Amino acid sequence: AQSVTQLGSHVSVSEGALVLLRCNYSSSVPPYLFWYVQYPNQGLQLLLKYTSAATLVKGINGFEAEFKKSETSFHLTKPSAHMSDAAEYFCAVRIPTGFQKLVFGTGTRLLVSP
Amino acid sequence: KAGVTQTPRYLIKTRGQQVTLSCSPISGHRSVSWYQQTPGQGLQFLFEYFSETQRNKGNFPGRFSGRQFSNSRSEMNVSTLELGDSALYLCASSLEEFSPSQYFGPGTRLTVL
Repeated sequence: AQSVTQLGSHVSVSEGALVLLRCNYSSSVPPYLFWYVQYPNQGLQLLLKYTSAATLVKGINGFEAEFKKSETSFHLTKPSAHMSDAAEYFCAVRIPTGFQKLVFGTGTRLLVSP
Repeated sequence: KAGVTQTPRYLIKTRGQQVTLSCSPISGHRSVSWYQQTPGQGLQFLFEYFSETQRNKGNFPGRFSGRQFSNSRSEMNVSTLELGDSALYLCASSLEEFSPSQYFGPGTRLTVL
């Protein structure tokens, strides 16, 4: 079965600093990987996805993630944090065949200070 | 194109009651999945529907059920509510069964008293 581990339930950065949110996955087959963001009292918004094409994936709002098979990682980065980036971020994995559920990590809350 | 819509957004029920939540997928999307989000258990998969058929089911008791209509709209039902059913219930739609991306609605916040 596939699983996701997100290191750090909370990450604090200053505005303008690098954002790095860590995600490691486990999967018996090459997976699809996703990052979602959730703002308070809202649903999940898809930031970016990896589906076995380019290993460096660019998403919305300046975020990107790199798929590293050797490290089983899919870390999310953004060069310069903005106050509006404060939210909870979820990494998710699914097997790329039909009707496979998304399996989510426990989430990382990003705090951005001025 | 309108996103996934869920109704109602907020719901308060008492133990023992039943509840029905509704989800309208993005136009043209044929697959609908449901997830439960709680502080203790995080995001957990409930079930997925495609072409009016349940295709996948998570580890939830039989009190949780759902269905999908011919227009791809979906409902989920929880009978005999328990306090632990208090959660944010999220619906996600995707284009087809093999589409990688799922797009989420804003959720229905269910509080069981």
